[in-house]
Amino acid sequence: EAGVTQFPSHSVIEKGQTVTLRCDPISGHDNLYWYRRVMGKEIKFLLHFVKESKQDESGMPNNRFLAERTGGTYSTLKVQPAELEDSGVYFCASSQDRVRDRAYEQYFGPGTRLTVT
Amino acid sequence: RKEVEQDPGPFNVPEGATVAFNCTYSNSASQSFFWYRQDCRKEPKLLMSVYSSGNEDGRFTAQLNRASQYISLLIRDSKLSDSATYLCVVSLHSGGYQKVTFGTGTKLQVIP
Repeated sequence: EAGVTQFPSHSVIEKGQTVTLRCDPISGHDNLYWYRRVMGKEIKFLLHFVKESKQDESGMPNNRFLAERTGGTYSTLKVQPAELEDSGVYFCASSQDRVRDRAYEQYFGPGTRLTVT
Repeated sequence: RKEVEQDPGPFNVPEGATVAFNCTYSNSASQSFFWYRQDCRKEPKLLMSVYSSGNEDGRFTAQLNRASQYISLLIRDSKLSDSATYLCVVSLHSGGYQKVTFGTGTKLQVIP
């Protein structure tokens, strides 16, 4: 079974530019999550999709961040315009439907390392 | 006070040693608990879910103490390959809503 994939693995952009990160969850996983780890800090929750719906976006830092999950499959996270403090590693994770066993075990993608200069 | 607290370490232990990590959480309504392992510059990988009765997987044993609001991970017969950062993860869920909180992680270095 293929795992969670993310693209790109690295991105270096200048302040003010736009970047779009992509996440492909494990096939059949309705739940998709975005997280961010800023250097030296713990991993922080950004938002949670159930299929194509945003279940919880309380962790999104501000309106420069926009996440979508059209069709309930892959998701994108756009940062526009990027600021220096947006640098970090962005992880995506997915989990099975909540009514099944192990519904809350999340499986992470390799992350996208974003550097804003 | 942080929602999930871990001793950052590092814990430097010789091969073959037994090492234990603790993690405390502040929200008594938390329902699911996990240990993840993260290697340097890699993604977190699920190590174990932690159940109320405690659970064991080979050399790894996880315990949950709801009354004291802490979770533990015991690693027996440490291997060099166990060197990594161990993340404590606590989850609160209701309906389709799931709030997941990570600890900062405890770094383990197993030395030959």
